Amino acid sequence: NAGVTQTPKFQVLKTGQSMTLQCAQDMNHEYMSWYRQDPGMGLRLIHYSVGAGITDQGEVPNGYNVSRSTTEDFPLRLLSAAPSQTSVYFCASSYSRVGGADTQYFGPGTRLTVL
Amino acid sequence: AQKITQTQPGMFVQEKEAVTLDCTYDTSDQSYGLFWYKQPSSGEMIFLIYQGSYDEQNATEGRYSLNFQKARKSANLVISASQLGDSAMYFCAMREEVTSYDKVIFGPGTSLSVIP
Repeated sequence: NAGVTQTPKFQVLKTGQSMTLQCAQDMNHEYMSWYRQDPGMGLRLIHYSVGAGITDQGEVPNGYNVSRSTTEDFPLRLLSAAPSQTSVYFCASSYSRVGGADTQYFGPGTRLTVL
Repeated sequence: AQKITQTQPGMFVQEKEAVTLDCTYDTSDQSYGLFWYKQPSSGEMIFLIYQGSYDEQNATEGRYSLNFQKARKSANLVISASQLGDSAMYFCAMREEVTSYDKVIFGPGTSLSVIP
């Protein structure tokens, strides 16, 4: 199993550009989520999904869109990039609702810089 | 309001000594879960330990143990016999139920440095 994969690893955008961060998992996990990590603020939840076709907002959803057409993929779209979106983005997945000891498996992260 | 508080931005510990990393949380749920993750300088997130709100015993995983005090809403991580490889950022996280779905919220993290 490849686990949770993210592409690209690094990206530089200009203000106003749009792009999609890709996330895929091959563990048949139902639950997937996107976080952003900024210095001193830990990880903040952007959007999450409990299964194909079902998504919901996290703590900081503004400026981001998600969709979940398949169990495996959960892309994150930046509609119009802003410097405030400069961050490291992590995708995570778990087998079910994050219940019991069902911990989340994290991807390696995407480092995004918006100029 | 911040739901997860980690009051120690940076900690130092001598190799082979034990260290406690603090975590307090805020929730009105009766059913919730608490996690600790380690993030080394390479950037990956590594799961360490889990504690459920109804678990009567403190969780342990090898050198890691979780000191769970439900009434105080604290879930401190204890690392025994620190090793140089324990130098990393440590994040406390809480799963809480929101309607029918769970969210996992992270604290700001504590940077641990192990001194030889």
